[in-house]
Amino acid sequence: EIVMTQSPVTLSVSPGERVTLSCRASQTVTNSLAWYQQKPGQPPRVLIYGASTRASGVPARFSGGGSGTEFTLTISSLQSEDSAVYYCQQYNMWPSLTFGGGTKVEIK
Amino acid sequence: QLQLHESGPGLVKPSETLSLICTVSGDSISSADFYWAWIRQTPGKGPEWLGSVYFSGRTHYNPSLKSRLTISLDKSKNNFSVRLTSVTAADTAVYYCARQSELELDYWSPGSLVTVSS
Repeated sequence: EIVMTQSPVTLSVSPGERVTLSCRASQTVTNSLAWYQQKPGQPPRVLIYGASTRASGVPARFSGGGSGTEFTLTISSLQSEDSAVYYCQQYNMWPSLTFGGGTKVEIK
Repeated sequence: QLQLHESGPGLVKPSETLSLICTVSGDSISSADFYWAWIRQTPGKGPEWLGSVYFSGRTHYNPSLKSRLTISLDKSKNNFSVRLTSVTAADTAVYYCARQSELELDYWSPGSLVTVSS
């Protein structure tokens, strides 16, 4: 099983600041990597797939990068509504999937 | 607009079988473009993929749950279901169903809390 490790676990950031979240795979997943945002009481919502392609309706301040085993999700200018938990998920052995443990982004 | 909604008991006794149904509206589960997936999540943890079913009935399961898990679909009712046998407290979670393309889980149900307790 491919294990996904996210860092940091929690991040506290002021509005307007740039935020970078990291995700590492235990073995290569090429670019078969998605990012999800989850707010309390809601299911996850896809932000990025293919490591760097924004899903429909996702604001341009969200961007994804990386390939192989190292990936990042960047929020260029944090907004208050971006307070959430963010998960990476690999699908290199699709339809089998594994998720990371998440990074909680808090607004200062 | 595609919508998914899960239904089933919110409380299951230990050693019994957890069963949930996901009803799909706004799309056909007979589409060859998608799998239909079950995912669960315990508080403070990342989601866990349970398994997926294709319109043909082909299934893929999480290896850690494969011996206890069955996912099937009912094309006549446009729904798909999950059965998890011999449950324990560790199976207490919010259960989601979702549409799965090659690239993403693009539509999710609201989620249903299932508690395993006597």
